[in-house]
Amino acid sequence: AQSVTQLGSHVSVSEGALVLLRCNYSSSVPPYLFWYVQYPNQGLQLLLKYTTGATLVKGINGFEAEFKKSETSFHLTKPSAHMSDAAEYFCAVSETSYDKVIFGPGTSLSVIP
Amino acid sequence: DAGVTQSPTHLIKTRGQQVTLRCSPKSGHDTVSWYQQALGQGPQFIFQYYEEEERQRGNFPDRFSGHQFPNYSSELNVNALLLGDSALYLCASSLEGGGSGNTIYFGEGSWLTVV
Repeated sequence: AQSVTQLGSHVSVSEGALVLLRCNYSSSVPPYLFWYVQYPNQGLQLLLKYTTGATLVKGINGFEAEFKKSETSFHLTKPSAHMSDAAEYFCAVSETSYDKVIFGPGTSLSVIP
Repeated sequence: DAGVTQSPTHLIKTRGQQVTLRCSPKSGHDTVSWYQQALGQGPQFIFQYYEEEERQRGNFPDRFSGHQFPNYSSELNVNALLLGDSALYLCASSLEGGGSGNTIYFGEGSWLTVV
């Protein structure tokens, strides 16, 4: 069965500092991996996804993630945090591009001025 | 091109009542999935519909049922509502058999409060 773990339910960074949100997954098949962001009282917005090919994936708003098969990880990074990045971030896995999506518990990101 | 649309956006129900939530998938998509997101948690998969049939189901009781119509739109029904059913209900659409370029799109969700 597929599953996702996110280390740290809450992460705080200073404005301008590196953002690193950790995600590890388990999957019996080559996974499709996603990062979603959710702002307060809103739905889910796709930040980026890994399907096949290049393991470094660039997404919106300056975020990127690297798929490391040997570590079963898909950590999300952004070189310089902005106040507008404060939100809940979910890592997720799926077996195909259209299958059910299994979400992690989420990481709440706070950005300190 | 409209994305995934859901209605209603907010609703309040009493314990024991029944609720119906609606979803229109993104144009060109034929597969609809429903998720429940309780406060402070990640979304949990409820079920998926394709060709008007329930294809996959998560760990939810039979009180949760659904339907998909010929135009691919979908409904989620919850009977005998419990306080614990209070959550954001998200609909997602995708294209069956879509390759790596396919993307699963989520709607803004329906906020259900059970009192």
